[in-house]
Amino acid sequence: GEDVEQSLFLSVREGDSSVINCTYTDSSSTYLYWYKQEPGAGLQLLTYIFSNMDMKQDQRLTVLLNKKDKHLSLRIADTQTGDSAIYFCAESIGSSNTGKLIFGQGTTLQVKP
Amino acid sequence: KAGVTQTPRYLIKTRGQQVTLSCSPISGHRSVSWYQQTPGQGLQFLFEYFSETQRNKGNFPGRFSGRQFSNSRSEMNVSTLELGDSALYLCASSLDRNGYSNTEAFFGQGTRLTVV
Repeated sequence: GEDVEQSLFLSVREGDSSVINCTYTDSSSTYLYWYKQEPGAGLQLLTYIFSNMDMKQDQRLTVLLNKKDKHLSLRIADTQTGDSAIYFCAESIGSSNTGKLIFGQGTTLQVKP
Repeated sequence: KAGVTQTPRYLIKTRGQQVTLSCSPISGHRSVSWYQQTPGQGLQFLFEYFSETQRNKGNFPGRFSGRQFSNSRSEMNVSTLELGDSALYLCASSLDRNGYSNTEAFFGQGTRLTVV
């Protein structure tokens, strides 16, 4: 089946690291994504990882993928108040990797000063 | 380079009416996908268009339809609007060079539809 699960809320202090977790069910997923949504805005693509990779780092962002457990995480180092937003995990569906993405419910990240 | 443009940004319609939303993808992008976002159901895939053909479809009733033009611009139409159709409708575009490789999908700001 197609299902992506995320915890709904995470609160951290400014300067700490944030870790947002996600689990997915479709073993044929080729790419997994992290998107950020700020109030009243669309989705901003933060990063993505190919399913044959274990880790990807991009500045303050680190993505870890455990394909065996179908677990994806996003670590934000030195979290800032501007990082407060909803973060969505998404998987691409189908081996042909067409444009269908299945999203999790989103994790609201609250950053306290 | 301009991003994905969706028009209009806000729309208020009455139950039973129909509505057409527009999406202009990033220049050179050939794939356009549509999503519905509601507080209760989250982000749900509606359909995807590539080269003027519907390539993928989600689990929505036939009242939801779309099309893509030769310049890759896309429209979605909802007929006989219901209160439950109130949502943020998001469009995403992808480069899709060779017909099956979509690594990055870029989203527009969305159209906020309110049905009263």
